[in-house]
Amino acid sequence: QSVLTQPPSASGTPGQRVTISCSGSSSNIGSNPVSWYQQLPGTAPKLLIYSNNQRPSGVPDRFSGSKSGTSASLAISGLQSEDEADYYCAAWDDSLNGWVFGGGTKLTVL
Amino acid sequence: EVQLVESGGVVVQPGGSLRLSCAASGFTFDDYTMHWVRQAPGKGLEWVSLISWDGGSTYYADSVKGRFTISRDNSKNSLYLQMNSLRTEDTALYYCAKPGVSGGSYSGYYFDYWGQGTLVTVSS
Repeated sequence: QSVLTQPPSASGTPGQRVTISCSGSSSNIGSNPVSWYQQLPGTAPKLLIYSNNQRPSGVPDRFSGSKSGTSASLAISGLQSEDEADYYCAAWDDSLNGWVFGGGTKLTVL
Repeated sequence: EVQLVESGGVVVQPGGSLRLSCAASGFTFDDYTMHWVRQAPGKGLEWVSLISWDGGSTYYADSVKGRFTISRDNSKNSLYLQMNSLRTEDTALYYCAKPGVSGGSYSGYYFDYWGQGTLVTVSS
């Protein structure tokens, strides 16, 4: 059971907009920035969004993040086949003195 | 270019010990807290441990506390994870991860670079 809660799966057709939610608590998302990671099959996680809504250089602006209270969301617009991957949210937890991750959401492009 | 290269993963019996290493390059290693994150086969990411830039502070996930020890050698730009009393549930790909921000909070705010991982299999 992960500390951060994500839906296990999401799907969309090419060109659609998809959102992935991430729910936490006051000790993690509620008091620390959220980051999102994309993991393509057989590869290491890659930073997608940091500080709730910032994109590293090289990440397309089709990817956006937001945070409100103890929840966060990742939105992917103009869905492409290469977006098919696992997506994880993460935040530092002040009570655990460690990082917590969501259980991951497997995105399928239909 | 930042590089993190893990090594040391093997097949080990339950109750056994193992030491993982992570060789870092392309950044000022001793400016950063460093982390280990693992991923069991077919499962999600789980944070394991962190060590401050000078090795003076360490934190562990409850699942490994008392069994794993994180350490670093800044003269060699290397991070280590000593794993004792291994259990079958420790079977995972172990990643070394660099935080995006140096100094300040131990969290580092996000992970901007990950190694390719080293596979630890605990099985009899």
